[in-house]
Amino acid sequence: DVKVTQSSRYLVKRTGEKVFLECVQDMDHENMFWYRQDPGLGLRLIYFSYDVKMKEKGDIPEGYSVSREKKERFSLILESASTNQTSMYLCASSRTDGYTFGSGTRLTVV
Amino acid sequence: QQPVQSPQAVILREGEDAVINCSSSKALYSVHWYRQKHGEAPVFLMILLKGGEQKGHEKISASFNEKKQQSSLYLTASQLSYSGTYFCGTVTGGGNKLTFGTGTQLKVEL
Repeated sequence: DVKVTQSSRYLVKRTGEKVFLECVQDMDHENMFWYRQDPGLGLRLIYFSYDVKMKEKGDIPEGYSVSREKKERFSLILESASTNQTSMYLCASSRTDGYTFGSGTRLTVV
Repeated sequence: QQPVQSPQAVILREGEDAVINCSSSKALYSVHWYRQKHGEAPVFLMILLKGGEQKGHEKISASFNEKKQQSSLYLTASQLSYSGTYFCGTVTGGGNKLTFGTGTQLKVEL
């Protein structure tokens, strides 16, 4: 089974902090994605990557950046956390078909 | 632009059937369906591709009308385990980037 592991289940950070969310997949998938999930809004795409060192903006990239130095790892960076970035963050990976999601990181910015 | 799902919520008695619809304003390459149980990650159910190919869960059925830019998920003889939020995700361009709908909450009761 493909496994997508997100490093933290819950995180509490202060406004203005730099925050790193890590995601690792173990099935050699080319494609990796970061979404945030908010009630009533569904899942919204922040950034994605189809290859190492490659990244593309999704629908809501403002305030975020990403890093993909190795194929299995895709990191989401909040440069200066703000309260409106309080959310559930989901990482996913895929080859050509369905996504496999990680368990999510619930981030609270205070 | 996110695809529109309907209904937003539905309550069924065990054994009843339900249809969840997903409609896009853009031409579709493929449609994915996922189910998310409370506190868990979304789980891939099915992918429907342009041209009629389908891959996924053997007990789930779905349709894809390319002309109308719509897909429907059919849940028959519902079981308690079908409860959760169902999301459709659409691919409207090259690659495998999904735009998700806002979800349909399904509750199956005894």
